[in-house]
Amino acid sequence: DTEVTQTPKHLVMGMTNKKSLKCEQHMGHRAMYWYKQKAKKPPELMFVYSYEKLSINESVPSRFSPECPNSSLLNLHLHALQPEDSALYLCASSQTRWLLGTGANVLTFGAGSRLTVL
Amino acid sequence: AQSVTQLDSQVPVFEEAPVELRCNYSSSVSVYLFWYVQYPNQGLQLLLKYLSGSTLVKGINGFEAEFNKSQTSFHLRKPSVHISDTAEYFCAVSGEIKAAGNKLTFGGGTRVLVKP
Repeated sequence: DTEVTQTPKHLVMGMTNKKSLKCEQHMGHRAMYWYKQKAKKPPELMFVYSYEKLSINESVPSRFSPECPNSSLLNLHLHALQPEDSALYLCASSQTRWLLGTGANVLTFGAGSRLTVL
Repeated sequence: AQSVTQLDSQVPVFEEAPVELRCNYSSSVSVYLFWYVQYPNQGLQLLLKYLSGSTLVKGINGFEAEFNKSQTSFHLRKPSVHISDTAEYFCAVSGEIKAAGNKLTFGGGTRVLVKP
């Protein structure tokens, strides 16, 4: 299994809703990532988890709350979002070779969850 | 700090013609270089990567790229494109091992439109 699976594919929510995006991988990767991608722009890193611990938070607003319940799952909890948060949210995973010093990490991306905030 | 510049935001090309997408990077440390492709309404798929060794790297779907350290470039080429190559292409760089979080930095993207 060499895939990263994201659900839902599409999500529409109001500014007062609470929703979650889910990401799952079974490649034995111990690093997982959330990226945000606006239309016609490159992906921007939001969070990195390594060994289920948050290792990077790129100054993301607290209305985005990540969670890594186990080595295969990554969630992004959404609350009180703004219309400008509408975007494609990409999950990725990789090995953690930066910790071992044995080579570069190659990210495998999911298909994304397209979020629209009304 | 590291950065990536993709010199062309859009590249129109006729089917069966060659295409080259230009990518330049800057980094104060050794780098690892990647090209990803994003088809409409999809995630990113790895085309090829340069980690070490031969500077000419071959990837999927007939793409290849050449790492040029003196010119800090990693241009992507395909000798003959198909309609199905219409997509957004991202060049990316990650830094030296053990750098915090080993972040992947993307260029702005190049939109390739293949015309019949």
